[in-house]
Amino acid sequence: QKEVEQNSGPLSVPEGAIASLNCTYSDRVSQSFFWYRQYSGKSPELIMSIYSNGDKEDGRFTAQLNKASQYVSLLIRDSQPSDSATYLCAGGPPDDKIIFGKGTRLHILP
Amino acid sequence: DTEVTQTPKHLVMGMTNKKSLKCEQHMGHRAMYWYKQKAKKPPELMFVYSYEKLSINESVPSRFSPECPNSSLLNLHLHALQPEDSALYLCASSHREGSTDTQYFGPGTRLTVL
Repeated sequence: QKEVEQNSGPLSVPEGAIASLNCTYSDRVSQSFFWYRQYSGKSPELIMSIYSNGDKEDGRFTAQLNKASQYVSLLIRDSQPSDSATYLCAGGPPDDKIIFGKGTRLHILP
Repeated sequence: DTEVTQTPKHLVMGMTNKKSLKCEQHMGHRAMYWYKQKAKKPPELMFVYSYEKLSINESVPSRFSPECPNSSLLNLHLHALQPEDSALYLCASSHREGSTDTQYFGPGTRLTVL
């Protein structure tokens, strides 16, 4: 298993619906997790960080971490065309460098 | 303020040129990073500086030479690059080195090597 895995997509979601982005990780990656949004040609922008099991909400975004099942997800409610981007999941082993997944391309259909 | 700045935004250089990329942050972060990103790929770590000392060099060719003059500045010196080095070069910073601290990215420098 790769250390941080994401489905590359594209994931197409109708405007106004919930977009669900998923990421799985290996045993070595256990500490902290981050979701970044990256528009084409731009740099990654932090959306959410999550450290504990459960849900963390910020506006239309909810991050979910399940350490027992080794997955972390990002839900985007009321999806907007401006949410169309690549979403990078990242995590890392304690006291080691962060590892990025390959990213999921999200396309919101107007 | 979570701003990391990078200059220049775009750079075109020949294979014999010498140029430098610059990065600056004023968040008091003590870890700074250089990443290289090719199209449709995730960022690829090149170097990490922690407390102004080089902590990680991910086997990057010597034609890339990092420098950390002080805790706010990070440079990447470029010399004799190859066309395959064309990419988006990203600087990032975090409070401390390691996977538990959030990394904040600058806008990047789009480098084209002719």
